[in-house]
Amino acid sequence: DVKVTQSSRYLVKRTGEKVFLECVQDMDHENMFWYRQDPGLGLRLIYFSYDVKMKEKGDIPEGYSVSREKKERFSLILESASTNQTSMYLCASRDAAEQYFGPGTRLTVT
Amino acid sequence: AQSVAQPEDQVNVAEGNPLTVKCTYSVSGNPYLFWYVQYPNRGLQFLLKYITGDNLVKGSYGFEAEFNKSQTSFHLKKPSALVSDSALYFCAVRDRMDSSYKLIFGSGTRLLVRP
Repeated sequence: DVKVTQSSRYLVKRTGEKVFLECVQDMDHENMFWYRQDPGLGLRLIYFSYDVKMKEKGDIPEGYSVSREKKERFSLILESASTNQTSMYLCASRDAAEQYFGPGTRLTVT
Repeated sequence: AQSVAQPEDQVNVAEGNPLTVKCTYSVSGNPYLFWYVQYPNRGLQFLLKYITGDNLVKGSYGFEAEFNKSQTSFHLKKPSALVSDSALYFCAVRDRMDSSYKLIFGSGTRLLVRP
């Protein structure tokens, strides 16, 4: 089975802190994605990567950056967390058929 | 621009009754269409997808979905609902010509099945 893991299920950070969200997949997938999920808005794509060191902006990249130094790991970085970044963050990787999602990280910025 | 609409925030149904969760889409060309389910405090799980061929797609847990090109819809259905089907359901679309494999998601529909 494909496994996508995220480093934390719950995270509480203060405004202005630098935040790292880590995602690891074990199926050698080339494409990986970061989404945020908010009630009534569904999932919105923040960034995606189609290879090591390759990244592209999604629909809502402002306030975020990403890093992909190894194929299995895709990190989402909040350079200076703000309260409007309180959300559920979901990582995914894909094969030819579908995207596979991690369990999510619920981030609260106070 | 591509978009997905799930017109109902919540669907309520009694256990044993049929259920339908609606989805319409807007995309250029022929899309790939997906349904995902999210149980509380969990990530999204794949239910089913439409790629080509038969308009009725069967998926996990007894769910099926019907692709209707003329109505640009991809409604999720189940003949007999279970209380355990209560969850958040997302419809998603991908443009066949998009090499990035990005998915566009609807806003989600919460399904509540009462005993």
